[in-house]
Amino acid sequence: GDSVTQMEGPVTLSEEAFLTINCTYTATGYPSLFWYVQYPGEGLQLLLKATKADDKGSNKGFEATYRKETTSFHLEKGSVQVSDSAVYFCALSYSGAGSYQLTFGKGTKLSVIP
Amino acid sequence: GAVVSQHPSWVICKSGTSVKIECRSLDFQATTMFWYRQFPKQSLMLMATSNEGSKATYEQGVEKDKFLINHASLTLSTLTVTSAHPEDSSFYICSAREVGRSYEQYFGPGTRLTVT
Repeated sequence: GDSVTQMEGPVTLSEEAFLTINCTYTATGYPSLFWYVQYPGEGLQLLLKATKADDKGSNKGFEATYRKETTSFHLEKGSVQVSDSAVYFCALSYSGAGSYQLTFGKGTKLSVIP
Repeated sequence: GAVVSQHPSWVICKSGTSVKIECRSLDFQATTMFWYRQFPKQSLMLMATSNEGSKATYEQGVEKDKFLINHASLTLSTLTVTSAHPEDSSFYICSAREVGRSYEQYFGPGTRLTVT
């Protein structure tokens, strides 16, 4: 079956450091890929998405590129802020699946210290 | 826009009792609502998918008679945990997909259930 694997956390970085959170997937078809973020006490929010190979999703300084050859969708940000502290989830979904069910990775907790 | 609420945010119940969790889309109509369960340090696991006015589709391994899902309107879905046991203690999260939109699911803040 389909699965998403993302790096184990927690990740602790100093403010303005470079962030990479690795995400790889296993899928039988050609899924769409997503990064969701969950801030403390809040629901998951869509951070960015990519729907086909070589697409780059970006939002709030975060970027991720859909790499079909390496089945990866790594999340990056050049300079993190304290406000980026949250749990980040990588996920995939099939557009042809009718209900667009999401398959999630386990989540990576990021803490940014001043 | 696109806000999903859940009620209650936290509930404690005794073993053997039932508890109902509500999921509401506040400013949009939801074709489909999803219910997830999240264990500590684990991923969100899809429990069931519900479409307004029809029976929910449960994932393999999820007991239909234990986790009753009702999606009676385009803005409300409920999850009832029947005859709850301590192993049902978990964080339950709902999400909703807006009518006419494809990919994006809007998530509620979750409900923490503790069964004593």
